[in-house]
Amino acid sequence: QKEVEQNSGPLSVPEGAIASLNCTYSDRGSQSFFWYRQYSGKSPELIMSIYSNGDKEDGRFTAQLNKASQYVSLLIRDSQPSDSATYLCAVSPPGTGFQKLVFGTGTRLLVSP
Amino acid sequence: DAGVTQSPTHLIKTRGQQVTLRCSPKSGHDTVSWYQQALGQGPQFIFQYYEEEERQRGNFPDRFSGHQFPNYSSELNVNALLLGDSALYLCASSLIFQVTMNTEAFFGQGTRLTVV
Repeated sequence: QKEVEQNSGPLSVPEGAIASLNCTYSDRGSQSFFWYRQYSGKSPELIMSIYSNGDKEDGRFTAQLNKASQYVSLLIRDSQPSDSATYLCAVSPPGTGFQKLVFGTGTRLLVSP
Repeated sequence: DAGVTQSPTHLIKTRGQQVTLRCSPKSGHDTVSWYQQALGQGPQFIFQYYEEEERQRGNFPDRFSGHQFPNYSSELNVNALLLGDSALYLCASSLIFQVTMNTEAFFGQGTRLTVV
């Protein structure tokens, strides 16, 4: 079982729709969860972090965390063509306190005009 | 506020050669982590440096080594390059004392290494 799993996609949504991206993780003790956006040929850009169960909203983005189900998701409202990118879910496993990030393989999102 | 900067942006090397990649962390950050991202994959953790010491290491051979300088900048060295080392190498910086709280890592633009 992979430590962090994502559907590779592509996930295709029309402009203005809600895009829902999902991620599951295997280490139940994980405490920190992140969503990065990566445009083709570019480096990952942090868009959301979440640390406790529930929802966290930032503009058009909402991250949702359910530690009991070991599940984290990202909702993008009013999707725009500029949101077309690969979205990477990252988890920081429990450890000594010096964190590393374990990434999923990413979900490719395509937003059509 | 300067972000994370990496150099060079692109590099072509021959099998068996050695390479050094450089990273300057975001202003105010003291921890540097290195990741390797192969095409179509998520970044894979190589190692992390804090207070000039390697603190954590991923599943990478000893051919991969690093260093952190007193100004928090860092180098990644790869010896005896293999074709499979071709990838995007990413440096991420963070602030260690927030490690149990809202630690967020920010990436540089990466170095694209091609081994031929």
